[in-house]
Amino acid sequence: GENVEQHPSTLSVQEGDSAVIKCTYSDSASNYFPWYKQELGKGPQLIIDIRSNVGEKKDQRIAVTLNKTAKHFSLHITETQPEDSAVYFCAASIAAGNKLTFGGGTRVLVKP
Amino acid sequence: GAVVSQHPSRVICKSGTSVKIECRSLDFQATTMFWYRQFPKQSLMLMATSNEGSKATYEQGVEKDKFLINHASLTLSTLTVTSAHPEDSSFYICSAKWTSGDTQYFGPGTRLTVL
Repeated sequence: GENVEQHPSTLSVQEGDSAVIKCTYSDSASNYFPWYKQELGKGPQLIIDIRSNVGEKKDQRIAVTLNKTAKHFSLHITETQPEDSAVYFCAASIAAGNKLTFGGGTRVLVKP
Repeated sequence: GAVVSQHPSRVICKSGTSVKIECRSLDFQATTMFWYRQFPKQSLMLMATSNEGSKATYEQGVEKDKFLINHASLTLSTLTVTSAHPEDSSFYICSAKWTSGDTQYFGPGTRLTVL
């Protein structure tokens, strides 16, 4: 089955700096890659997603890049703010099956 | 749009009792709902996938007789933890998607504590 690895597990950045989280996946058939933000005691919230026919997608301060050949994708957050502090999860799925396989999560702390 | 609710948000029960958790899609019809379990500081683990009107598909290692899932309508799925024990204490989260989409929208989660 699919295996998703996520790095780093924790990330501390100064407010205003950029944060980058990287994920690798094992199943070349995976074609959908969402990123979720989870705040303490809450459910995950979708922040951005990308499909395998696209190499990059951007939404304001958040961007995701996908390298299908290398089977890795990354989340980039620019101009970080304290409210960006949370746990971020990457995931991968094959559209036909729709099951998401999650990475281990990255705890991001943005220091004011 | 794409709001998913869960009820209750928090439940404490005695060992041996059963607990039912509801997952509702509030503004869309969810043909597929998923149930996850999350331990503290860990990732989400898929427990089962349920399609409206059919039996749930459980992941390997998840006891279907212990975690009963019902998806009787396009907006409601329930997870019943039967004969709960302290080791069942966890954060249970559901997600929902509609037929033509890839995206799963998550509920706010239910914190179950079994004494």
